[in-house]
Amino acid sequence: DADVTQTPRNRITKTGKRIMLECSQTKGHDRMYWYRQDPGLGLRLIYYSFDVKDINKGEISDGYSVSRQAQAKFSLSLESAIPNQTALYFCATSVRGTVQETQYFGPGTRLLVL
Amino acid sequence: DAKTTQPPSMDCAEGRAANLPCNHSTISGNEYVYWYRQIHSQGPQYIIHGLKNNETNEMASLIITEDRKSSTLILPHATLRDTAVYYCIVRPYGSGNTGKLIFGQGTTLQVKP
Repeated sequence: DADVTQTPRNRITKTGKRIMLECSQTKGHDRMYWYRQDPGLGLRLIYYSFDVKDINKGEISDGYSVSRQAQAKFSLSLESAIPNQTALYFCATSVRGTVQETQYFGPGTRLLVL
Repeated sequence: DAKTTQPPSMDCAEGRAANLPCNHSTISGNEYVYWYRQIHSQGPQYIIHGLKNNETNEMASLIITEDRKSSTLILPHATLRDTAVYYCIVRPYGSGNTGKLIFGQGTTLQVKP
């Protein structure tokens, strides 16, 4: 969905490096999420944010941090990357208060940690 | 959130209906059933959701059993582009809704010519 963009789309980094994955949305949604996906598995929630001042840990937040710089931007950081953080990372957005509260996903960032 | 159980894989002939089952025997009264799909490592895409009544939209139909312990997603005329991993998710609505989606491993649907 072009309304949710992620940069970079692909990234190779080395163990110990700090990297940042960025997510931007033009949908005007208040909620944003970061997920990771390992091969053959479903997505797992890393962090989520209900608004700029409300950030929450998900299932697997260890080794990650986030920043909600504005309603439209939600960044995920790996302070010191390790090989088992090699995965496909997705950002998603949604609007609070609707029954379906559909989540709209970005195209993903493929990260390889050597 | 309630746990769901889906078969790991299914095949379907192109043009035929694809029926994807999901078991959610521990679903609570305030939990909806949602279906998403993921096509070849793209971001997941919302398909449909329901509480207790059957639902239909332009993409699919959702049949929920009367006891709500299971459901079936129906793609009425599957095409090759419907080949994807399909996720069945249950999630509360109302004060219990944090917006989070808990993904299982889903069902890989292969549509064959």
